[in-house]
Amino acid sequence: SQKIEQNSEALNIQEGKTATLTCNYTNYSPAYLQWYRQDPGRGPVFLLLIRENEKEKRKERLKVTFDTTLKQSLFHITASQPADSATYLCALGSGNTGKLIFGQGTTLQVKP
Amino acid sequence: GAVVSQHPSWVICKSGTSVKIECRSLDFQATTMFWYRQFPKQSLMLMATSNEGSKATYEQGVEKDKFLINHASLTLSTLTVTSAHPEDSSFYICSASSSTSGRAYLQFFGPGTRLTVL
Repeated sequence: SQKIEQNSEALNIQEGKTATLTCNYTNYSPAYLQWYRQDPGRGPVFLLLIRENEKEKRKERLKVTFDTTLKQSLFHITASQPADSATYLCALGSGNTGKLIFGQGTTLQVKP
Repeated sequence: GAVVSQHPSWVICKSGTSVKIECRSLDFQATTMFWYRQFPKQSLMLMATSNEGSKATYEQGVEKDKFLINHASLTLSTLTVTSAHPEDSSFYICSASSSTSGRAYLQFFGPGTRLTVL
């Protein structure tokens, strides 16, 4: 069955450092992969989308890589700030239905 | 743009009663709406997909008679939890997408509804 794994342990880093979050998947061939931010008690907020034929995408301090051979995506936040503290979800999608399969999320804590 | 609202933001009800949750796209026409459920520290689990004017498609294991979904217009979908029980207590989140925007793969999420069944 399809499986998406994100590091369930919280990631604690110092302000100013680069945070790197991992999303691995098995038994799936996504057409695209998305990253979302979710704050406690709130709905997810879209951050970035990367397609299967793209290796890397950037948006301001965010960078996403997508390796379909390794079946892995890395999500980087450079020059991290305490305001970046949240849970980050990866989601895979394919086809025309728009359906997404979500990972369980990784909680990032940026300490001042 | 692309704002999705949910109402209520939280609700407490007695076991056996029904609860209706509304999901509205405020500034775009949502041809498709999705309903998710999220338990504490767990991922979003898709419950059903609804297209405007047609019956919802439920994911495996989701009881369609218990979770009634209506998508009567391009800006409103409702989820009714019928005969709610404590195990239905969860965080319910809707999302909306628009096939007419050319970006049907983008989902815009509502803020969620916290349901507590006593």
